[in-house]
Amino acid sequence: DAGVTQSPTHLIKTRGQQVTLRCSPKSGHDTVSWYQQALGQGPQFIFQYYEEEERQRGNFPDRFSGHQFPNYSSELNVNALLLGDSALYLCASSLTAQANVLTFGAGSRLTVL
Amino acid sequence: DAKTTQPNSMESNEEEPVHLPCNHSTISGTDYIHWYRQLPSQGPEYVIHGLTSNVNNRMASLAIAEDRKSSTLILHRATLRDAAVYYCILLGFTGGGNKLTFGTGTQLKVEL
Repeated sequence: DAGVTQSPTHLIKTRGQQVTLRCSPKSGHDTVSWYQQALGQGPQFIFQYYEEEERQRGNFPDRFSGHQFPNYSSELNVNALLLGDSALYLCASSLTAQANVLTFGAGSRLTVL
Repeated sequence: DAKTTQPNSMESNEEEPVHLPCNHSTISGTDYIHWYRQLPSQGPEYVIHGLTSNVNNRMASLAIAEDRKSSTLILHRATLRDAAVYYCILLGFTGGGNKLTFGTGTQLKVEL
């Protein structure tokens, strides 16, 4: 049983560009959350998607947006990239939006030059 | 969001028990105490969680203080594969959904 899969695993962009990261949740999970992890820091909550809607959002600007598809997979989009957006982006899925346990993917490492 | 405080790092010898402390003095009555760990080059991995009573699973034990202002993750026999960053997290269901608020965690080093 595959867990959470994310793509791409690594990518390099330049300032001002846009990036799309993708996530397939664990089989049977319907809720997807995205986290940003800067080097040496703990992950920070970006937002959560359930039933194809953004349900809650962390302290991130509107440049960060997302989408959830009918098959529960999700995308994270970041526009107008800044150097500070360089980080590991983690996707986590859960059985429901109220589930106690989250399953994380290995992440997408974004470098902005 | 309620905050947790953990030591930056701890060391242990292989095959010995490890007690990882966490303080959460501002915990609310509905917050669950969760522990996740993150191995190098991987995403966080769920370890254990509890609300009021001590909990055991195949990975670890969680001891929760009676006033719930602190907790301890117990690894009964540390192995080299347990070397990771351990995060103590309070899980609240704000906005109707689960949201983990990570701190900087405890880097556990395990030596032979």
